[in-house]
Amino acid sequence: DVKVTQSSRYLVKRTGEKVFLECVQDMDHENMFWYRQDPGLGLRLIYFSYDVKMKEKGDIPEGYSVSREKKERFSLILESASTNQTSMYLCASSWQGYNEQFFGPGTRLTVL
Amino acid sequence: ELKVEQNPLFLSMQEGKNYTIYCNYSTTSDRLYWYRQDPGKSLESLFVLLSNGAVKQEGRLMASLDTKARLSTLHITAAVHDLSATYFCAVDLGGASKLTFGTGTRLQVTL
Repeated sequence: DVKVTQSSRYLVKRTGEKVFLECVQDMDHENMFWYRQDPGLGLRLIYFSYDVKMKEKGDIPEGYSVSREKKERFSLILESASTNQTSMYLCASSWQGYNEQFFGPGTRLTVL
Repeated sequence: ELKVEQNPLFLSMQEGKNYTIYCNYSTTSDRLYWYRQDPGKSLESLFVLLSNGAVKQEGRLMASLDTKARLSTLHITAAVHDLSATYFCAVDLGGASKLTFGTGTRLQVTL
């Protein structure tokens, strides 16, 4: 079974803090994705990566950065957290050329 | 820009009834996915539709794809309470590996 894990299920941070969200997949997938999910707005793509050290901006990259130093690991970084970044963050991965995405359990981040 | 619209956004239905969720999209694509999300949980893959006319069935759910109409449907037969969840369709334009998700349909099956 494909397994995508995320470092925390729940996280509470203060405004201005640097926040790291980590995602690990065990299926040797080339592609990895970070989304945020907000009520009424559906899933919005923040960043994705199709190879180690490669990254592409998604639809809402402002205020975020990412890192992919190893194939199995994709990190989302909030350089200076703000209250409007309170959200559910979902990581996903897929094989190159076959785009069914497999999702991690999600991290519910609250920024106070 | 690809737009993916689902309707209805919210559906309350009684157990035993049938209903259909629609997913319309604005750009040519022949690959579409359906996901289910339970409250507070992540997305689980339900169906992968990879060509025009594709039909997949699992239990009380059946998904189909009409690429000419740019339409996919998720049909629910004789609904049961366990099907209560939010259902998302996602369109694949190929190449860039990205999916564009619909806004989701929240299904509530009442006893």
